[in-house]
Amino acid sequence: ETGVTQTPRHLVMGMTNKKSLKCEQHLGHNAMYWYKQSAKKPLELMFVYNFKEQTENNSVPSRFSPECPNSSHLFLHLHTLQPEDSALYLCASSQDWGETQYFGPGTRLLVL
Amino acid sequence: DAKTTQPPSMDCAEGRAANLPCNHSTISGNEYVYWYRQIHSQGPQYIIHGLKNNETNEMASLIITEDRKSSTLILPHATLRDTAVYYCIVRLVITQGGSEKLVFGKGTKLTVNP
Repeated sequence: ETGVTQTPRHLVMGMTNKKSLKCEQHLGHNAMYWYKQSAKKPLELMFVYNFKEQTENNSVPSRFSPECPNSSHLFLHLHTLQPEDSALYLCASSQDWGETQYFGPGTRLLVL
Repeated sequence: DAKTTQPPSMDCAEGRAANLPCNHSTISGNEYVYWYRQIHSQGPQYIIHGLKNNETNEMASLIITEDRKSSTLILPHATLRDTAVYYCIVRLVITQGGSEKLVFGKGTKLTVNP
């Protein structure tokens, strides 16, 4: 257990669905991150939040919409995804921006 | 691009020490060496990091050569649950111009055999 939890662990959705991924950290950290890991590709950083403010958006399509209501919770809202968006979505947190990151178990997403 | 070189795979017998090498010959003086591992289909797990001195925690030891061009992660008594892909990452701290982005290379697939 790393102190970072993600729900759901698995998700299957159609291209017209709307769903949300949730991440919660119990470490008192101030920074949270969303990563995407596709099969046989390295981790891709999607979004970074520091003290609830978004500090980075790595050219992520608008069908992915992050939300950070407080320093402990991070959401990724999904809307009209494509099959190529199927991947493992990982949340991470760190004490402060740029420090050691601790990852959650991930959400395995399949878009049909 | 990852600035480290690791062997693609290694095997280790259960109960023995697993020594995973990493080459980072272009490392700069302010860059840390981080190790993570990822068990199949799970999130990466932080193991240890260091700058110059050797480091030890409850999971592993990190030995960094004096010239800092290479390092070795040591799992002192490998178990079957240590089977995973191990990533060596070189990273500059934010306060010295680094990035929050973790750049994972291909790592070393460690298989611990019974």
